[in-house]
Amino acid sequence: EVHLVESGGGLVQPGRSLRLSCAASGFTFDDYAMHWVRQAPGKGPEWVSGITWNSGNTGYADSVKGRFTISRDNARNSLYLQMNSLRSEDTALYYCVKVALLWGGFDSWGLGTLVTVSS
Amino acid sequence: DIQMTQSPSSLSASVGDRVTITCQASQDISNSLIWYQQKPGKAPKVLIYDASNLITGVPSRFSGSGSGTDFTFTISSLQPEDVATYYCQQYDYLPREFTFGPGTKVDLK
Repeated sequence: EVHLVESGGGLVQPGRSLRLSCAASGFTFDDYAMHWVRQAPGKGPEWVSGITWNSGNTGYADSVKGRFTISRDNARNSLYLQMNSLRSEDTALYYCVKVALLWGGFDSWGLGTLVTVSS
Repeated sequence: DIQMTQSPSSLSASVGDRVTITCQASQDISNSLIWYQQKPGKAPKVLIYDASNLITGVPSRFSGSGSGTDFTFTISSLQPEDVATYYCQQYDYLPREFTFGPGTKVDLK
């Protein structure tokens, strides 16, 4: 069974940084692209960033481009999101998600880690 | 960037009713469309992939259709456990963006 466990969220002041981690288990991690999706309170999901299985390609939403960096460590079955220059509008529940093998959507989601950006 | 719209934004229906939600992409996405169901306090759950393929284990009252820019999601006979918000999502391949629709909240009349 796929397990995705996010950590690293918390309360942070505007302009500061935070690093999210996702520990993956139950599947062959380095076979799959992985993504981060966030959901602000009372809002719909928003794709944040993704990375291919070998880190050869990454993508970012315009709202985070230049501030966030996605990375992965296949030896540790882990996905990361380095978030710099945080803004109040980055406040959200951040989900680690796994891409399906045969189609491009997200077939497994973690429980999320909450990031609150506030002074 | 591809924009996704959904309608209606919310609806109320009775148990047993047929419910239809539409999703429109701002450009041709072929059949690269996913439908998710989200209940309060839970992560989204995929119901349909590639516009019309039902995920194994999802009840057959859920269905999807469409290609190109116009897509439809249908619940043939609404059940109480279907109360949720439904999102469409287009997918592409990195580094291009993925986009969710704004959602349709379904509740019971």
